[in-house]
Amino acid sequence: KAGVTQTPRYLIKTRGQQVTLSCSPISGHRSVSWYQQTPGQGLQFLFEYFSETQRNKGNFPGRFSGRQFSNSRSEMNVSTLELGDSALYLCASSLAGQYYEQYFGPGTRLTVT
Amino acid sequence: QKEVEQNSGPLSVPEGAIASLNCTYSDRGSQSFFWYRQYSGKSPELIMSIYSNGDKEDGRFTAQLNKASQYVSLLIRDSQPSDSATYLCAVYGNKLVFGAGTILRVKS
Repeated sequence: KAGVTQTPRYLIKTRGQQVTLSCSPISGHRSVSWYQQTPGQGLQFLFEYFSETQRNKGNFPGRFSGRQFSNSRSEMNVSTLELGDSALYLCASSLAGQYYEQYFGPGTRLTVT
Repeated sequence: QKEVEQNSGPLSVPEGAIASLNCTYSDRGSQSFFWYRQYSGKSPELIMSIYSNGDKEDGRFTAQLNKASQYVSLLIRDSQPSDSATYLCAVYGNKLVFGAGTILRVKS
């Protein structure tokens, strides 16, 4: 079974621009979660989508948004990029049942200059 | 108080020894507990999950859970240099919360 895929893998953007990242979950997984990972803050939860609905949200500003499509693929968008948004953005998918095992994609490395 | 706490390390063990990694959590309602391994420059990889008190073994890995003490641990037997990585403890209540990770170094 194919794993979680994320595109693009690397991205360089300028302050003030916006960016859209894409995630395709493992086949059959309906939950997709997004995380930001930085050396200083570790893995921080952004949001979770299940059946096209945002089920949970972390403590990030409104510049960070996401959505999920009917095929469970998900996108996250960051508007008005800041230097501090430079990070590894990870997507994880899950069956979202009782046991909630999440499987991560390879991540998108975003650099904001 | 952080929701999930881990000693950042580094924890250094000789090859062939047992590595013991520990994690405490604050939410008593937490239901599921996970250990992820993350190599430098890579994404986290799920290596163990545990849901009830006691021990769970999978190959060289043993996860231990004590809900009364709000404590989770991971034992790695016969540690190998390839086990050198950051180990992340994750706890699920109504969302998955990660600890900051423990760096493990296995010296050959």
